[in-house]
Amino acid sequence: GDSVTQTEGPVTLPERAALTLNCTYQSSYSTFLFWYVQYLNKEPELLLKSSENQETDSRGFQASPIKSDSSFHLEKPSVQLSDSAVYYCALRGDNNAGNMLTFGGGTRLMVKP
Amino acid sequence: ETGVTQTPRHLVMGMTNKKSLKCEQHLGHNAMYWYKQSAKKPLELMFVYSLEERVENNSVPSRFSPECPNSSHLFLHLHTLQPEDSALYLCASSQVARASYEQYFGPGTRLTVT
Repeated sequence: GDSVTQTEGPVTLPERAALTLNCTYQSSYSTFLFWYVQYLNKEPELLLKSSENQETDSRGFQASPIKSDSSFHLEKPSVQLSDSAVYYCALRGDNNAGNMLTFGGGTRLMVKP
Repeated sequence: ETGVTQTPRHLVMGMTNKKSLKCEQHLGHNAMYWYKQSAKKPLELMFVYSLEERVENNSVPSRFSPECPNSSHLFLHLHTLQPEDSALYLCASSQVARASYEQYFGPGTRLTVT
């Protein structure tokens, strides 16, 4: 079955540092890939979405799926305090009647002043 | 109302109680999901309804019983729960067969079992 593996957290960065959160996946089918962000005491919300080989960006974050190594790393050149949250990588395998997503375990990001 | 709503937002129940969680989506979607989120397992998929049919039951104990009366509403009926069932229960919805497939989450119900 499908699986998603993320950077083990927590990740602690100073403000304005560059961010990379790793995400690798396994799926037998072509996939759609997502990053969700969950702020403290809020629900997960969609941050980025991408089909294969399509770079995507939102709110200063970007991710580019690399099929050759099954990765979809999340990057931001300069983090802000407000980026502190848990980030989930997810995939939707193509053979999926119910539109189910497979989520990684999440990576907690803490940005310090 | 917009998006996905859930009620109640907080619930405390005893182990012998029966309660229900409600989810409503205002997005015109046709698939709905229940997730459990706890510290030990961040996002566990519990149930999936697509076009009002249950298509996934992820080995969830029978003390959790879902109901999907129509494409906009989803319930989770709870009875004789255990303390380890305390968690945040999230509802989500999506549109099956839409090109991007993303799910939208409700705010969750924080459940405490005493």
